[in-house]
Amino acid sequence: QQQVKQSPQSLIVQKGGISIINCAYENTAFDYFPWYQQFPGKGPALLIAIRPDVSEKKEGRFTISFNKSAKQFSLHIMDSQPGDSATYFCAANAAGSYIPTFGRGTSLIVHP
Amino acid sequence: KAGVTQTPRYLIKTRGQQVTLSCSPISGHRSVSWYQQTPGQGLQFLFEYFSETQRNKGNFPGRFSGRQFSNSRSEMNVSTLELGDSALYLCASSRLAGLRDTQYFGPGTRLTVL
Repeated sequence: QQQVKQSPQSLIVQKGGISIINCAYENTAFDYFPWYQQFPGKGPALLIAIRPDVSEKKEGRFTISFNKSAKQFSLHIMDSQPGDSATYFCAANAAGSYIPTFGRGTSLIVHP
Repeated sequence: KAGVTQTPRYLIKTRGQQVTLSCSPISGHRSVSWYQQTPGQGLQFLFEYFSETQRNKGNFPGRFSGRQFSNSRSEMNVSTLELGDSALYLCASSRLAGLRDTQYFGPGTRLTVL
């Protein structure tokens, strides 16, 4: 049972474009939603995270949008750069258990 | 500040064998978590250790076990290896327990079971 559904599986964007990755969850007990970036041969690195008490969080070119009623959240990468080419994972942690549930990942390629 | 280190980086074993993976957290970090990453199942949480005690455990069989030492270094053991155990095993460390604090991942150990 996949509790966090991530789409698309792969994404190709031109340099300067906007990359959008979506995640949907079912468990209403989730209350912490981090995004991770993983380059080949490296472990994931926390990119940005949001809690459900806010609808949007921005850090530089990266923005998380959160829709609690729809149980969806998304990552927007503005002005995408070739250096952003990586795999992105969304995750959700439930209050109490804290065990993270990950999406399947999105492979992003930004063409120069 | 040195990052999370994992040894070995690559490992090849045969079915039925056992394996021990090692993780050294960032200095000052007392929480160590382990994850399995496969193309089919994605990233899955194995367990978390804090101050030498297992704090959280994912849904994996008892063949997967771990421990943490007083210096916060951690080891993960997989006994009676199966082909499906082939994966990238990632270790992550953080200052605080409970998986809420920012986790810093190591590069992983690539385990291949033949």
